[in-house]
Amino acid sequence: AQSVTQPDIHITVSEGASLELRCNYSYGATPYLFWYVQSPGQGLQLLLKYFSGDTLVQGIKGFEAEFKRSQSSFNLRKPSVHWSDAAEYFCAVGAGTYKYIFGTGTRLKVLA
Amino acid sequence: DTAVSQTPKYLVTQMGNDKSIKCEQNLGHDTMYWYKQDSKKFLKIMFSYNNKELIINETVPNRFSPKSPDKAHLNLHINSLELGDSAVYFCASSPAGRGNQPQHFGDGTRLSIL
Repeated sequence: AQSVTQPDIHITVSEGASLELRCNYSYGATPYLFWYVQSPGQGLQLLLKYFSGDTLVQGIKGFEAEFKRSQSSFNLRKPSVHWSDAAEYFCAVGAGTYKYIFGTGTRLKVLA
Repeated sequence: DTAVSQTPKYLVTQMGNDKSIKCEQNLGHDTMYWYKQDSKKFLKIMFSYNNKELIINETVPNRFSPKSPDKAHLNLHINSLELGDSAVYFCASSPAGRGNQPQHFGDGTRLSIL
């Protein structure tokens, strides 16, 4: 069955520290993978996407993600977190025509 | 200019009532979606429309009826509202594709059933 797992429900980091948010997917074919961010009271905004090619993809706001087929993972990273990065982060997989499956989200808290 | 706009932003109503949520996108996309986000932030697709045609209906109760008058609009009508319908409903759009297109989301409609 197609699924996306984000093992960490909450993560707390100090401002300036590095960040890694985990995402594992289960999908039979070549996955189309996405990371979105949701700030309070707002909709989801695309951070980055992976379709093919270079397994390290760069996104907006200084985020990057690495696709590892052998581990079925697509982890999101940022070298130095800013207080404004506090939000909910969602990993998603394009699961065929017109359908996307989202993970349960990771809430990031940033300590000053 | 707002790319995907939903109205209203908040909706508070009594159980048993009927309500509608409207969604419009000005991105020229062919595909539009409705998602439900529950209190635990779990985001689940409800419907996908492509060029005004229903493509996906994810076992949503038939009290929920989407309507797409044109490809820029996708409205959601809900009959006989129940307590379990309380959630945030998101509209989204994307270019047509096989799951390989990023989606653009509206800011959501928070529905509260009293």
